[in-house]
Amino acid sequence: QKEVEQNSGPLSVPEGAIASLNCTYSDRGSQSFFWYRQYSGKSPELIMFIYSNGDKEDGRFTAQLNKASQYVSLLIRDSQPSDSATYLCAVNRGGSGGYNKLIFGAGTRLAVHP
Amino acid sequence: DTGVSQNPRHKITKRGQNVTFRCDPISEHNRLYWYRQTLGQGPEFLTYFQNEAQLEKSRLLSDRFSAERPKGSFSTLEIQRTEQGDSAMYLCASSSSEGTGDSFGPGTRLLVL
Repeated sequence: QKEVEQNSGPLSVPEGAIASLNCTYSDRGSQSFFWYRQYSGKSPELIMFIYSNGDKEDGRFTAQLNKASQYVSLLIRDSQPSDSATYLCAVNRGGSGGYNKLIFGAGTRLAVHP
Repeated sequence: DTGVSQNPRHKITKRGQNVTFRCDPISEHNRLYWYRQTLGQGPEFLTYFQNEAQLEKSRLLSDRFSAERPKGSFSTLEIQRTEQGDSAMYLCASSSSEGTGDSFGPGTRLLVL
């Protein structure tokens, strides 16, 4: 079992719809979780991070965390064609001192069609 | 542009040659990371520096790999005796000590022939 699992997709949604991206993780002790967006041939860009159970909203993006179910998701409202990219979920396995040692999933490819 | 920079952006080399990559983090960031990403996979952690100290190395970082951050500013990653399996995108990231998310550089794409 991989430490971080994501459906590879592609997830296809129409423009203006809500895209829902899901991620599960195996280490119950994980404390912080990150979502990155990666366009083809480019490096990952941080979208948002979440530490606490529940929802965290930032503009059109909402991250949801359920530690009991070891599940984290990303919702993208009013999806745009420019949102078409691979979305990477990452779990922090960093050591003492609070640094980030990110364990990434393989990513979910999102395609938003006009 | 005050983001993370990496050089070169692309490198083609023959098997058995040595290569060195450079990363310049965001200037106020004291934490620096190297990751490797192959096609269709997420980035894999290689190593972490806090200032000039290398505090963690992944088992992925074989004896042929060495990383340095001599003055706590830029970092280099050297691969000796390259193998075709080393072909990947090598990503550098940095964050501040208040570290939330890491900022990734554009990466160095390595192709070993």
